[in-house]
Amino acid sequence: GDSVTQMEGPVTLSEEAFLTINCTYTATGYPSLFWYVQYPGEGLQLLLKATKADDKGSNKGFEATYRKETTSFHLEKGSVQVSDSAVYFCALNGNRDDKIIFGKGTRLHILP
Amino acid sequence: DVKVTQSSRYLVKRTGEKVFLECVQDMDHENMFWYRQDPGLGLRLIYFSYDVKMKEKGDIPEGYSVSREKKERFSLILESASTNQTSMYLCATLPGWQGVYEQYFGPGTRLTVT
Repeated sequence: GDSVTQMEGPVTLSEEAFLTINCTYTATGYPSLFWYVQYPGEGLQLLLKATKADDKGSNKGFEATYRKETTSFHLEKGSVQVSDSAVYFCALNGNRDDKIIFGKGTRLHILP
Repeated sequence: DVKVTQSSRYLVKRTGEKVFLECVQDMDHENMFWYRQDPGLGLRLIYFSYDVKMKEKGDIPEGYSVSREKKERFSLILESASTNQTSMYLCATLPGWQGVYEQYFGPGTRLTVT
């Protein structure tokens, strides 16, 4: 079945460092891919998405490119801030009447 | 903006109690979901509903039931709460299954069963 694997955390970085959180997937067909963010004490909210191969999603300085050849959707940010401290979830929608698949989440700590 | 609200942010119940968690959405979305979130396990789907009075089991339905009598409201019921149901519970909606749509989440209910 479909699955999402993302790097385990926690990830701890200093402010202004470069961030990469890896996400790979397995799916039949042509899924859509998402990154959600969960700030402390809140529910998840969409950070960015890509619906077809080679699409790049971007928001708030974060980017991720849908790479079908490597089945990956890695999240990157060039210069992180303390306010980026949160849990990040990679997710997949297989474009069927079926459940959406989430990775286990990566906790990010940014130190001032 | 889509709004998904959950009846309580924090809840403390005793073992054996019947517990109701309510979720209400204001954007006429067809699909609604209940997840639980636990450290190291991520989000796990309990139940979802694609229409009024329709429900489908997710990955971990045991010990839970759901009710969807109106399109905007999706309730999660713990028939007899147990300590292993202590968790964060998240409700979500989805406008449709096409991949252009994302899920919208409520703020969560942190349930403690003592």
